[in-house]
Amino acid sequence: DARVTQTPRHKVTEMGQEVTMRCQPILGHNTVFWYRQTMMQGLELLAYFRNRAPLDDSGMPKDRFSAEMPDATLATLKIQPSEPRDSAVYFCASGEDREFGYTFGSGTRLTVV
Amino acid sequence: AQSVTQLDSQVPVFEEAPVELRCNYSSSVSVYLFWYVQYPNQGLQLLLKYLSGSTLVESINGFEAEFNKSQTSFHLRKPSVHISDTAEYFCAVSEFGNEKLTFGTGTRLTIIP
Repeated sequence: DARVTQTPRHKVTEMGQEVTMRCQPILGHNTVFWYRQTMMQGLELLAYFRNRAPLDDSGMPKDRFSAEMPDATLATLKIQPSEPRDSAVYFCASGEDREFGYTFGSGTRLTVV
Repeated sequence: AQSVTQLDSQVPVFEEAPVELRCNYSSSVSVYLFWYVQYPNQGLQLLLKYLSGSTLVESINGFEAEFNKSQTSFHLRKPSVHISDTAEYFCAVSEFGNEKLTFGTGTRLTIIP
């Protein structure tokens, strides 16, 4: 089965450090999402892209977060500087069309201490 | 704006008993509806979806959900649960003309042997 690959699976970092999370969407999928999951807030949409163009990043704190798709095989989510409140599981998802459903990666569990 | 409410954060059920997980949505336009399942330490997987046509949709593992427009609901049901159904279940909504998926806060289904 085709999979969405996220790296790293786990990341522990100190407050103030830069964090980069990577996502390899399924080949041929032209829509890519970044979600954040916490116990308190549940699943929050941070940003999404269609054909590599950012369509909506209104859910992302712009002062410290940035999301890019340098090419069709890579999406990145950066946090600089990181803060303890950024601790969460970050999911990437990709799809051709929501009617077929989106495929989620296994997530990056980020802990900022 | 679209939103989803899952009133039950946890549902314990005895094995082989029936279960219903409730989902209500809010939107000013027509919507697509989804149920996703998340097993421990994994990403979300599409369980079933309502796009159009028959209001009763089924999954391959015995779950079903019924779209009720008048009650703005999309409850998930299974007549007889198994230990392997232990997971967190998320209801999601997507408005026509908008690719964003908005998730509910999830319902943790626990099966009691």
